[in-house]
Amino acid sequence: DAGITQSPRYKITETGRQVTLMCHQTWSHSYMFWYRQDLGHGLRLIYYSAAADITDKGEVPDGYVVSRSKTENFPLTLESATRSQTSVYFCASSHQGSEDTQYFGPGTRLTVL
Amino acid sequence: AQSVTQLDSHVSVSEGTPVLLRCNYSSSYSPSLFWYVQHPNKGLQLLLKYTSAATLVKGINGFEAEFKKSETSFHLTKPSAHMSDAAEYFCVVIPSGSARQLTFGSGTQLTVLP
Repeated sequence: DAGITQSPRYKITETGRQVTLMCHQTWSHSYMFWYRQDLGHGLRLIYYSAAADITDKGEVPDGYVVSRSKTENFPLTLESATRSQTSVYFCASSHQGSEDTQYFGPGTRLTVL
Repeated sequence: AQSVTQLDSHVSVSEGTPVLLRCNYSSSYSPSLFWYVQHPNKGLQLLLKYTSAATLVKGINGFEAEFKKSETSFHLTKPSAHMSDAAEYFCVVIPSGSARQLTFGSGTQLTVLP
């Protein structure tokens, strides 16, 4: 009964490396979301997905890639990490869309050196 | 375009006194409005939401918020603060049917003094 999990919880990487953050939910929710949280900015939407194989950009998608081959998984990939991508990343899911209650994972703290 | 402004970045109250966290929004469409709470090193949890039903919305842990269209506000209140309320609070606006335009406020850090 894990709900929504993220892995890893902490990650340190170097500029230019590819990094994948994982998100898994056990509720079979249709919608999934990726956010980044930075001081002074609240949370900003990176990408979201309305269903398997359907994804769309949010406010800050540049430098990120997502996929959703299975309903329960929504990985976020930084193809070539930059220092500006140092942040805390939150995954969320909801049953019926962004206007429905979103359930958040515990977050991944990513540091890019 | 839509935006959310949380008018106070920090609020301090004494335990047992009322809490008021202020949120103003702008939106071109009939929005849905939410308040989420984030305790230290945790994910976010929904407190309450407004989705065009009753304008006074009651949430968990004694919190409530009133949607005032004329003032474009959605302030969060609680009659009596508890130590466990210390956290960061986020106001969120979502224009109707537009997930990609979801916008979070920058957050209000609530401190509760003994």
